[in-house]
Amino acid sequence: KAGVTQTPRYLIKTRGQQVTLSCSPISGHRSVSWYQQTPGQGLQFLFEYFSETQRNKGNFPGRFSGRQFSNSRSEMNVSTLELGDSALYLCASSRASGRETQYFGPGTRLLVL
Amino acid sequence: SQKIEQNSEALNIQEGKTATLTCNYTNYSPAYLQWYRQDPGRGPVFLLLIRENEKEKRKERLKVTFDTTLKQSLFHITASQPADSATYLCALGSDSGTYKYIFGTGTRLKVLA
Repeated sequence: KAGVTQTPRYLIKTRGQQVTLSCSPISGHRSVSWYQQTPGQGLQFLFEYFSETQRNKGNFPGRFSGRQFSNSRSEMNVSTLELGDSALYLCASSRASGRETQYFGPGTRLLVL
Repeated sequence: SQKIEQNSEALNIQEGKTATLTCNYTNYSPAYLQWYRQDPGRGPVFLLLIRENEKEKRKERLKVTFDTTLKQSLFHITASQPADSATYLCALGSDSGTYKYIFGTGTRLKVLA
């Protein structure tokens, strides 16, 4: 079974731009969660989608948004990029929402200049 | 305030010894706790999940304990090998509430040959 895939793997943007990241979960998984990982803050939960609905949300500003499509693929958007948004963005899929094992993708490394 | 701490940023041990990593939390009431392994440049990989009503879980050379009174989890790797060198993350999980998973900042384990 193919794992979680994320595209692109690397991205360089400038301040003020916006970016869209994509995540394809493992086949049959309906829950997708997004995380931001930085050396200083560690892994921080952004939001979770299940069956096209946002189920949980972390403490990030409204510039961070996401959506999930009917095939469970998910996208994450960051508008008006700031230098502090430079990070590794990880998505994780699980079969359902709840006490489930999460399977992480390789991440998208975003650098904001 | 809510906090999750892993005992140290880095831990060096000799090959063959048992590595013990600690995860402490305050002001959370997790329903379960997970341990992940992360290698540089890659997403975390799930290792073990332990529920609030379980005291101990084992998988091959790995053992996890969960003490909800002490608000602590211990993660043991017995007969450690250089291939076990990685960053290990603990994560608290909730069935309800506003958070999905809260991750610790990780402990970087190095097993010396």
